Amino acid sequence: AQKVTQAQTEISVVEKEDVTLDCVYETRDTTYYLFWYKQPPSGELVFLIRRNSFDEQNEISGRYSWNFQKSTSSFNFTITASQVVDSAVYFCALSAWNTGNQFYFGTGTSLTVIP
Amino acid sequence: EAGVVQSPRYKIIEKKQPVAFWCNPISGHNTLYWYLQNLGQGPELLIRYENEEAVDDSQLPKDRFSAERLKGVDSTLKIQPAELGDSAVYLCASSLDGQGRGEQYFGPGTRLTVT
Repeated sequence: AQKVTQAQTEISVVEKEDVTLDCVYETRDTTYYLFWYKQPPSGELVFLIRRNSFDEQNEISGRYSWNFQKSTSSFNFTITASQVVDSAVYFCALSAWNTGNQFYFGTGTSLTVIP
Repeated sequence: EAGVVQSPRYKIIEKKQPVAFWCNPISGHNTLYWYLQNLGQGPELLIRYENEEAVDDSQLPKDRFSAERLKGVDSTLKIQPAELGDSAVYLCASSLDGQGRGEQYFGPGTRLTVT
Protein backbone atom coordinates (compact mmCIF):
# COMPACT_ATOMS: atom_id res chain seq x y z
CA ALA A 1 0.00 0.00 0.00
CA GLN A 2 1.06 3.54 -0.63
CA LYS A 3 0.86 6.10 2.12
CA VAL A 4 2.14 9.56 2.89
CA THR A 5 2.25 10.86 6.44
CA GLN A 6 2.65 14.49 7.37
CA ALA A 7 2.56 14.37 11.14
CA GLN A 8 2.71 18.14 11.63
CA THR A 9 -0.79 19.48 11.23
CA GLU A 10 0.00 23.11 11.96
CA ILE A 11 3.23 25.03 12.44
CA SER A 12 3.72 28.66 13.39
CA VAL A 13 7.04 30.44 13.11
CA VAL A 14 8.18 34.02 13.39
CA GLU A 15 9.39 35.63 10.20
CA LYS A 16 13.03 34.91 9.35
CA GLU A 17 13.07 31.67 11.31
CA ASP A 18 13.89 28.44 9.53
CA VAL A 19 11.23 25.74 9.44
CA THR A 20 11.23 22.08 8.37
CA LEU A 21 8.15 20.26 7.18
CA ASP A 22 8.28 16.50 7.60
CA CYS A 23 7.09 13.89 5.13
CA VAL A 24 7.29 10.13 5.63
CA TYR A 25 6.15 7.79 2.90
CA GLU A 26 5.41 4.09 2.55
CA THR A 27 5.66 2.05 -0.62
CA ARG A 28 6.89 -1.37 -1.68
CA ASP A 29 7.76 -0.14 -5.12
CA THR A 30 11.37 0.49 -6.00
CA THR A 31 10.38 3.03 -8.63
CA TYR A 32 8.44 5.97 -7.30
CA TYR A 33 8.27 9.75 -7.35
CA LEU A 34 7.90 12.24 -4.54
CA PHE A 35 6.47 15.72 -4.81
CA TRP A 36 5.86 18.80 -2.72
CA TYR A 37 2.99 21.19 -3.46
CA LYS A 38 2.05 24.51 -1.88
CA GLN A 39 -1.58 25.54 -1.44
CA PRO A 40 -1.86 29.24 -0.54
CA PRO A 41 -5.10 30.72 0.79
CA SER A 42 -6.24 31.30 -2.79
CA GLY A 43 -6.61 27.53 -3.05
CA GLU A 44 -4.60 26.66 -6.14
CA LEU A 45 -2.01 23.94 -5.63
CA VAL A 46 1.43 24.98 -6.84
CA PHE A 47 4.09 22.46 -7.79
CA LEU A 48 7.39 22.91 -5.92
CA ILE A 49 9.58 19.88 -6.59
CA ARG A 50 9.72 16.31 -7.90
CA ARG A 51 12.19 13.62 -6.89
CA ASN A 52 12.51 10.09 -8.24
CA SER A 53 13.49 7.13 -6.10
CA PHE A 54 16.86 6.74 -7.77
CA ASP A 55 18.02 10.23 -7.01
CA GLU A 56 18.75 10.87 -3.36
CA GLN A 57 20.65 14.03 -4.03
CA ASN A 58 19.37 16.89 -1.93
CA GLU A 59 18.22 19.99 -3.70
CA ILE A 60 18.29 23.67 -2.92
CA SER A 61 16.27 26.31 -4.68
CA GLY A 62 16.64 29.74 -3.19
CA ARG A 63 15.27 29.60 0.36
CA TYR A 64 13.83 26.13 -0.21
CA SER A 65 15.71 22.88 0.29
CA TRP A 66 14.69 19.24 0.27
CA ASN A 67 16.27 16.30 2.08
CA PHE A 68 15.43 12.90 0.59
CA GLN A 69 16.51 9.89 2.67
CA LYS A 70 15.46 6.44 1.48
CA SER A 71 16.84 4.83 4.64
CA THR A 72 14.17 6.57 6.70
CA SER A 73 11.57 6.91 3.89
CA SER A 74 11.50 10.64 4.40
CA PHE A 75 11.38 13.62 2.09
CA ASN A 76 11.58 16.70 4.29
CA PHE A 77 11.22 20.29 3.16
CA THR A 78 13.05 23.21 4.78
CA ILE A 79 12.30 26.88 4.31
CA THR A 80 15.17 29.13 5.34
CA ALA A 81 14.52 32.64 6.58
CA SER A 82 10.75 32.24 6.33
CA GLN A 83 8.57 35.05 5.00
CA VAL A 84 4.92 35.89 5.47
CA VAL A 85 4.28 34.86 1.85
CA ASP A 86 5.32 31.34 2.78
CA SER A 87 2.13 30.98 4.81
CA ALA A 88 0.19 28.17 3.15
CA VAL A 89 -0.68 24.51 3.39
CA TYR A 90 2.08 22.28 2.09
CA PHE A 91 1.38 18.82 0.73
CA CYS A 92 3.76 15.95 0.16
CA ALA A 93 2.72 13.39 -2.48
CA LEU A 94 3.84 9.98 -3.69
CA SER A 95 3.43 8.36 -7.08
CA ALA A 96 4.43 4.71 -7.45
CA TRP A 97 4.99 2.79 -10.65
CA ASN A 98 3.18 -0.43 -9.67
CA THR A 99 -0.03 1.33 -8.70
CA GLY A 100 -0.49 3.00 -12.04
CA ASN A 101 1.31 6.07 -10.83
CA GLN A 102 -1.70 7.25 -8.89
CA PHE A 103 -0.87 10.25 -6.73
CA TYR A 104 -1.20 9.84 -2.97
CA PHE A 105 -1.23 13.05 -1.01
CA GLY A 106 -0.54 13.55 2.66
CA THR A 107 -2.96 15.48 4.82
CA GLY A 108 -0.88 18.62 4.58
CA THR A 109 0.93 20.90 7.01
CA SER A 110 -0.47 24.35 7.56
CA LEU A 111 2.36 26.84 7.96
CA THR A 112 1.78 30.28 9.42
CA VAL A 113 4.60 32.79 9.34
CA ILE A 114 4.06 35.55 11.85
CA PRO A 115 5.48 38.97 10.95
CA GLU B 1 0.57 30.20 -21.25
CA ALA B 2 -2.85 29.74 -19.70
CA GLY B 3 -3.13 27.45 -16.73
CA VAL B 4 -5.80 24.90 -15.95
CA VAL B 5 -9.20 26.55 -16.13
CA GLN B 6 -12.15 25.43 -14.05
CA SER B 7 -15.69 26.67 -13.80
CA PRO B 8 -17.65 27.53 -11.87
CA ARG B 9 -15.49 28.58 -8.94
CA TYR B 10 -18.35 28.21 -6.49
CA LYS B 11 -21.60 26.31 -6.59
CA ILE B 12 -24.37 26.02 -4.03
CA ILE B 13 -27.14 23.51 -4.66
CA GLU B 14 -29.77 21.66 -2.72
CA LYS B 15 -29.38 17.96 -2.09
CA LYS B 16 -30.74 15.66 -4.78
CA GLN B 17 -30.03 18.26 -7.46
CA PRO B 18 -27.56 17.60 -10.28
CA VAL B 19 -24.36 19.59 -10.70
CA ALA B 20 -21.59 19.71 -13.29
CA PHE B 21 -18.05 21.01 -13.23
CA TRP B 22 -15.95 21.90 -16.24
CA CYS B 23 -12.20 21.78 -16.72
CA ASN B 24 -9.93 22.86 -19.55
CA PRO B 25 -6.37 21.60 -19.12
CA ILE B 26 -3.15 23.24 -20.20
CA SER B 27 -2.76 23.06 -23.96
CA GLY B 28 -0.90 19.92 -24.99
CA HIS B 29 -1.41 18.09 -21.72
CA ASN B 30 -2.86 14.71 -22.56
CA THR B 31 -3.38 13.57 -18.99
CA LEU B 32 -6.22 15.03 -16.98
CA TYR B 33 -7.17 14.32 -13.37
CA TRP B 34 -10.18 15.05 -11.22
CA TYR B 35 -9.62 15.20 -7.47
CA LEU B 36 -11.83 15.75 -4.48
CA GLN B 37 -10.45 17.72 -1.54
CA ASN B 38 -12.23 17.79 1.79
CA LEU B 39 -11.43 20.45 4.34
CA GLY B 40 -8.16 19.74 6.10
CA GLN B 41 -7.30 16.87 3.79
CA GLY B 42 -5.12 16.28 0.78
CA PRO B 43 -6.61 15.80 -2.67
CA GLU B 44 -7.99 12.35 -3.44
CA LEU B 45 -8.05 11.09 -7.00
CA LEU B 46 -11.46 10.49 -8.55
CA ILE B 47 -10.51 9.75 -12.14
CA ARG B 48 -7.57 10.00 -14.53
CA TYR B 49 -7.78 10.40 -18.30
CA GLU B 50 -5.17 9.70 -20.94
CA ASN B 51 -6.55 11.65 -23.89
CA GLU B 52 -10.22 10.59 -24.04
CA GLU B 53 -9.75 7.30 -22.21
CA ALA B 54 -10.48 6.95 -18.50
CA VAL B 55 -7.50 4.84 -17.39
CA ASP B 56 -8.16 4.97 -13.65
CA ASP B 57 -11.67 5.50 -12.30
CA SER B 58 -11.48 3.07 -9.40
CA GLN B 59 -12.12 5.84 -6.86
CA LEU B 60 -15.10 7.35 -8.67
CA PRO B 61 -18.45 6.61 -6.98
CA LYS B 62 -20.13 5.50 -10.14
CA ASP B 63 -23.63 5.37 -8.71
CA ARG B 64 -23.84 9.15 -8.71
CA PHE B 65 -20.66 10.48 -10.29
CA SER B 66 -19.81 10.48 -13.97
CA ALA B 67 -17.15 12.12 -16.09
CA GLU B 68 -16.35 12.56 -19.71
CA ARG B 69 -13.59 13.87 -21.91
CA LEU B 70 -15.04 13.31 -25.33
CA LYS B 71 -12.41 14.93 -27.54
CA GLY B 72 -9.47 14.42 -25.25
CA VAL B 73 -9.25 18.08 -24.29
CA ASP B 74 -11.73 19.57 -21.84
CA SER B 75 -13.64 17.48 -19.35
CA THR B 76 -16.86 17.53 -17.36
CA LEU B 77 -17.50 15.94 -13.97
CA LYS B 78 -21.12 15.43 -12.98
CA ILE B 79 -22.88 14.48 -9.77
CA GLN B 80 -26.47 13.33 -9.90
CA PRO B 81 -28.04 13.44 -7.42
CA ALA B 82 -25.87 15.42 -5.04
CA GLU B 83 -25.74 14.50 -1.36
CA LEU B 84 -24.76 16.58 1.66
CA GLY B 85 -21.49 14.66 1.92
CA ASP B 86 -20.45 15.79 -1.54
CA SER B 87 -19.68 19.25 -0.23
CA ALA B 88 -15.98 19.71 -0.99
CA VAL B 89 -13.56 21.31 -3.42
CA TYR B 90 -13.28 19.57 -6.78
CA LEU B 91 -9.88 20.03 -8.35
CA CYS B 92 -8.81 19.43 -11.91
CA ALA B 93 -5.17 18.90 -12.84
CA SER B 94 -3.26 18.14 -15.99
CA SER B 95 0.20 16.90 -16.85
CA LEU B 96 2.35 16.24 -19.87
CA ASP B 97 3.52 12.91 -18.52
CA GLY B 98 0.76 10.41 -17.84
CA GLN B 99 3.05 7.97 -16.15
CA GLY B 100 3.00 9.84 -12.88
CA ARG B 101 6.55 11.00 -13.29
CA GLY B 102 5.67 14.51 -14.21
CA GLU B 103 4.35 17.27 -12.10
CA GLN B 104 0.65 17.98 -12.18
CA TYR B 105 -0.68 21.48 -12.68
CA PHE B 106 -3.83 22.28 -10.76
CA GLY B 107 -6.74 24.55 -11.46
CA PRO B 108 -8.29 26.81 -8.80
CA GLY B 109 -11.00 24.27 -8.02
CA THR B 110 -14.76 24.39 -7.69
CA ARG B 111 -16.07 24.72 -4.17
CA LEU B 112 -19.35 22.82 -3.93
CA THR B 113 -21.79 23.35 -1.09
CA VAL B 114 -24.77 21.01 -0.88
CA THR B 115 -27.54 22.21 1.42
